[in-house]
Amino acid sequence: GQQVMQIPQYQHVQEGEDFTTYCNSSTTLSNIQWYKQRPGGHPVFLIQLVKSGEVKKQKRLTFQFGEAKKNSSLHITATQTTDVGTYFCAGPNNYGQNFVFGPGTRLSVLP
Amino acid sequence: DVKVTQSSRYLVKRTGEKVFLECVQDMDHENMFWYRQDPGLGLRLIYFSYDVKMKEKGDIPEGYSVSREKKERFSLILESASTNQTSMYLCASSLWGRGANTGELFFGEGSRLTVL
Repeated sequence: GQQVMQIPQYQHVQEGEDFTTYCNSSTTLSNIQWYKQRPGGHPVFLIQLVKSGEVKKQKRLTFQFGEAKKNSSLHITATQTTDVGTYFCAGPNNYGQNFVFGPGTRLSVLP
Repeated sequence: DVKVTQSSRYLVKRTGEKVFLECVQDMDHENMFWYRQDPGLGLRLIYFSYDVKMKEKGDIPEGYSVSREKKERFSLILESASTNQTSMYLCASSLWGRGANTGELFFGEGSRLTVL
């Protein structure tokens, strides 16, 4: 079946360092969503990418959708302690019924 | 702000018990979803509903059922709880749209179920 993979599973960074998480799908995606889940919290929508090669920015966060629409990345510049959490990508499943979530990348930021 | 409310944050049940997890959203969303979240596995879709009295199986429906009698309420039922159903259960809603056009998901706080 369709798989959405994310790497790395965990990332520990020093505050101020950059961070990148990568999302890869076994199939071409019509769009991709990113969510953030703070420790003890629930996933919160960050963004949706639709176009091949699309790049979107939200302050220190940069999201990219690959040209082949099978991968995506989230890059955080100069991490802060408020960036701590797990970042999930999600793409439509093979039948286009709903979204399949990746396993997430857990980010720790050391002050 | 959209609010998705789950009835219980923490539940402890015994094997074989029937479990009801309730979810209510207050923004007149068409779509509602139930996911379970386990470490290293991300969020896996159990059931979803695009309309009242309508339900569709997700990726892992076995051992679960759902009910949507009213637009704002989506219930997850474990007919006979088992230890492998110990998990975090997340309810979500989205405004409208089907499939890949479902749009942004709004999640509840989650219900952590432990089955002994």
